[in-house]
Amino acid sequence: ETGVTQTPRHLVMGMTNKKSLKCEQHLGHNAMYWYKQSAKKPLELMFVYNFKEQTENNSVPSRFSPECPNSSHLFLHLHTLQPEDSALYLCASSLRTGSSYEQYFGPGTRLTVT
Amino acid sequence: GENVEQHPSTLSVQEGDSAVIKCTYSDSASNYFPWYKQELGKRPQLIIDIRSNVGEKKDQRIAVTLNKTAKHFSLHITETQPEDSAVYFCAASVNTDKLIFGTGTRLQVFP
Repeated sequence: ETGVTQTPRHLVMGMTNKKSLKCEQHLGHNAMYWYKQSAKKPLELMFVYNFKEQTENNSVPSRFSPECPNSSHLFLHLHTLQPEDSALYLCASSLRTGSSYEQYFGPGTRLTVT
Repeated sequence: GENVEQHPSTLSVQEGDSAVIKCTYSDSASNYFPWYKQELGKRPQLIIDIRSNVGEKKDQRIAVTLNKTAKHFSLHITETQPEDSAVYFCAASVNTDKLIFGTGTRLQVFP
């Protein structure tokens, strides 16, 4: 699959587990994002990375820990989550130029916290 | 911070009719307004966007209008087709990175 890929696509975890979500972009972009999509709520921006540097942390609880080792990979480390954290987690990437600001989304990871 | 409101939450139209979705934003500094389409079980995809220095932009059957004074922008889809059925999200941002999304509009086009 080209573009933006995410693994796993589905994840069920207990509140005491530790897991990680992975995102990879094959588009040569230099910015990457994590979003949370819950039912009947808007897409919520969680984190923004530009050139591997975190530029935005949208008041996200510390039980979500992002990591961006290079401009192609983005991780979201999860620990001691709550049931209300169950949602679709979307990764996106973009090329920050003066003419295009389109964000390309991955297929998402459907997370269920039991 | 920025707040984006989107209406209606659901919209049903007959094939061939027009559909209009409206959004309002709160931060007058916002200067970038994209619209994303998300089909069932798929990822959101950009369909059209507008910068604050432009009042209207059109791409085939899709158009977006922006009223900076009133702080609202709208998506217009003409000659709707069944494949237009999806959830549409508007968004606003000041620096193009921090997109604040609306709650989405579920559009159903009936044949």
